[in-house]
Amino acid sequence: NAGVTQTPKFQVLKTGQSMTLQCAQDMNHNSMYWYRQDPGMGLRLIYYSASEGTTDKGEVPNGYNVSRLNKREFSLRLESAAPSQTSVYFCASRGEGLQGGELFFGEGSRLTVL
Amino acid sequence: GNSVTQMEGPVTLSEEAFLTINCTYTATGYPSLFWYVQYPGEGLQLLLKATKADDKGSNKGFEATYRKETTSFHLEKGSVQVSDSAVYFCALIGGSQGNLIFGKGTKLSVKP
Repeated sequence: NAGVTQTPKFQVLKTGQSMTLQCAQDMNHNSMYWYRQDPGMGLRLIYYSASEGTTDKGEVPNGYNVSRLNKREFSLRLESAAPSQTSVYFCASRGEGLQGGELFFGEGSRLTVL
Repeated sequence: GNSVTQMEGPVTLSEEAFLTINCTYTATGYPSLFWYVQYPGEGLQLLLKATKADDKGSNKGFEATYRKETTSFHLEKGSVQVSDSAVYFCALIGGSQGNLIFGKGTKLSVKP
């Protein structure tokens, strides 16, 4: 019962480097989300995908790109990392039907940009 | 726009003390409301939810009642344990995209 799986769990980058955070869910959910968590800021939405093939910006999209590769996978890319992107990133998928509204989260990816 | 405000932390309690974490919201209509919990080093997991006014969500001894008249969804537990130490987030469904809008989180530490 994997749920939402994120990789990598930890990453250190230098300013200007690029990387992709991977996320996969095995619950057949349509909607998927990327959030970042910063101290004292709660969680803020970066991008979301309502279904395969669609993506939309959230509250803090600048510096990021996303790809909804298929129904299971939703990746987040940093093209040129900046220290301000040091954060913990969470992927989530949204339950439907009886689970309506509930978000299921991965364990997070801790990114440090030097 | 929609928003959630929850009490600032950290909150430090002794084991078996009563817990209240306040949460108020601003929203159009009556969105579903949630409490999520994040244990150290882990992702967020749903603690409880309420989908309409006057609903009470409950789980693991925690309770919260959806109060539309005061636009509140306060989290309570009668007797906390050390294992309840975590960060608690109040949230609501924010819009047509179905994402959650979170409060800033309240860190709870329970001492033996």
